[in-house]
Amino acid sequence: SQKIEQNSEALNIQEGKTATLTCNYTNYSPAYLQWYRQDPGRGPVFLLLIRENEKEKRKERLKVTFDTTLKQSLFHITASQPADSATYLCALDSPSSNTGKLIFGQGTTLQVKP
Amino acid sequence: DAGVIQSPRHEVTEMGQEVTLRCKPISGHDYLFWYRQTMMRGLELLIYFNNNVPIDDSGMPEDRFSAKMPNASFSTLKIQPSEPRDSAVYFCASSFHRGSTEAFFGQGTRLTVV
Repeated sequence: SQKIEQNSEALNIQEGKTATLTCNYTNYSPAYLQWYRQDPGRGPVFLLLIRENEKEKRKERLKVTFDTTLKQSLFHITASQPADSATYLCALDSPSSNTGKLIFGQGTTLQVKP
Repeated sequence: DAGVIQSPRHEVTEMGQEVTLRCKPISGHDYLFWYRQTMMRGLELLIYFNNNVPIDDSGMPEDRFSAKMPNASFSTLKIQPSEPRDSAVYFCASSFHRGSTEAFFGQGTRLTVV
């Protein structure tokens, strides 16, 4: 069955360091992969989308990589700040590409300490 | 646009009662998703619509759950009868054009069934 796995444990890092979050999937051939941020008591907010034919995407301090051979995406936050503390979710479209069905991982909680 | 609007924000009900959650998607979006989020299971897709038509309801846990989208600007998720294990945060999200762009989430409805 299809599975999406993110680091189950919280990630604690020091301010200024680079945070790296992992999203692994099995039994998928996603057309694209998205990353979202979720703060307590709020809905997820879209950050970045990367397509299957793209290896890397950047937006300000954020960088996402997508390795369809390893079935893995890495999400990096450089020069991290305490305000980056949140839960980060990866999401993939369904095995039937472009049906619009978006499936989420469990999320990884990031804590950036000053 | 005010974004995706959900109501109520909080709902406390007794077991056996009917619960109706409401969602107004962003104008012009052609996809609408209902998700349920719990600590144990994360963000689960319950059902989604395309142009007001239900496309996939395989995530709906039981017949006690039903969803409708009578027009492009309104959707409901109904639970009848409600049970304590239905307690969760329910999110509505909308997106535009084949789901290959970001999903915009509402603030969620926190449901507690006692």
